[in-house]
Amino acid sequence: DIQMTQSPSSLSASVGDRVTITCQASQDISNYLNWYQQKPGKAPKLLIYDASNLEAGAPSRFSGSGSGTDFTFTISSLQPEDIATYYCQQYDNLHPTFGQGTKVEIK
Amino acid sequence: QVQLQESGPGLVKPSETLSLTCTVSGYSISSGNYWGWIRQPPGKGLEWIASIYHSGSTYYNPSLKSRVSISVDTSKNQFSLKLSSVTAADTAVYYCASVAVRWFDPWGQGTLVTVSS
Repeated sequence: DIQMTQSPSSLSASVGDRVTITCQASQDISNYLNWYQQKPGKAPKLLIYDASNLEAGAPSRFSGSGSGTDFTFTISSLQPEDIATYYCQQYDNLHPTFGQGTKVEIK
Repeated sequence: QVQLQESGPGLVKPSETLSLTCTVSGYSISSGNYWGWIRQPPGKGLEWIASIYHSGSTYYNPSLKSRVSISVDTSKNQFSLKLSSVTAADTAVYYCASVAVRWFDPWGQGTLVTVSS
């Protein structure tokens, strides 16, 4: 199975800061990489699909980039409502796998 | 608007079989899409369990394959999960989700299943 290594596992940043999370696949997955936001007690919510496409209704401060094995998720200006855990997920071979998650907190 | 809702027992005894159903509304399962189950142990990350195509083709997480079965009932617009020989390690929130292309969206609200005697 394809392993996804996500980092950091947690981060603390100030409101307005630029936040970056990385995800590395154990093999080439083209652009088949998605990002989800999960708030406490809630189901994950799709933010970015196919590496760089913003899901309808998601704020434009969220963005994604990358292809092959290395991917980046960015929050351009951190807002209080962005406090959550973020997960990457690959879907290259009908056996999807998730990264370990990054917990984002406000400093 | 597609909506999914999980249902099933919240408590299962060790060595027994966990059975969950996901009811889909706002979309006919027989029209297409893959449908999947994902779980999340308390305080931990997400783990994909299984997916099924509307025609019945199934895909399983290799680490769970020997204990898992996923099925679809188009007449009820539902799909189901069975996980046998459960242990405390199977205690988790279980989510069902739609897979339109290569991503899970939307998700059900999740249901907590506790394995305990």
